[in-house]
Amino acid sequence: KNEVEQSPQNLTAQEGEFITINCSYSVGISALHWLQQHPGGGIVSLFMLSSGKKKHGRLIATINIQEKHSSLHITASHPRDSAVYICAVLPLTSGTYKYIFGTGTRLKVLA
Amino acid sequence: ETGVTQTPRHLVMGMTNKKSLKCEQHLGHNAMYWYKQSAKKPLELMFVYSLEERVENNSVPSRFSPECPNSSHLFLHLHTLQPEDSALYLCASSQSPEREGQGTQYFGPGTRLLVL
Repeated sequence: KNEVEQSPQNLTAQEGEFITINCSYSVGISALHWLQQHPGGGIVSLFMLSSGKKKHGRLIATINIQEKHSSLHITASHPRDSAVYICAVLPLTSGTYKYIFGTGTRLKVLA
Repeated sequence: ETGVTQTPRHLVMGMTNKKSLKCEQHLGHNAMYWYKQSAKKPLELMFVYSLEERVENNSVPSRFSPECPNSSHLFLHLHTLQPEDSALYLCASSQSPEREGQGTQYFGPGTRLLVL
């Protein structure tokens, strides 16, 4: 079992819907990243969190360290949000660069 | 906008070929990474270079050989690969992890490799 689990694995939404992607992890962490991977491969870092909540445009990321859980929310979703969203955690014991990655959530937003 | 470029974007090679993947970063970072992404599997860290020294070799077979001639360039030399090595190979860069802590990694677009 992977130490980082994402749900759902696949998600199809209609344009304008509010979307939530979840990430649960089983190790103590010092940071969590949400990444976006578009078709073709390129990966963009959306957020780095160690506590609380961050907002950037229509994207909101939250983390609950005690519950070992993070969520990524997309408000007013748009077809251009279609991508794979990857959660990555930095375990406390692993040094400063050995992230553990989830398998990703594949999001498709229909017009 | 990514400041990390990778070439080639696509590569098909036979099991007896020798090829190299190239990564270049224009962000002034001093740490660079190679990752492998196979279908339906999480990203796997392969190698890490910090200040041009290899600081991580994550049990990668010797048919993969990295080279970091300077802080802006990273190569992955490939020889006698197997079909199961077919995957997306991603390069990333960040500020040196030992100095910056949880530095954000910036990824290149990847090289999609097919081994026949």
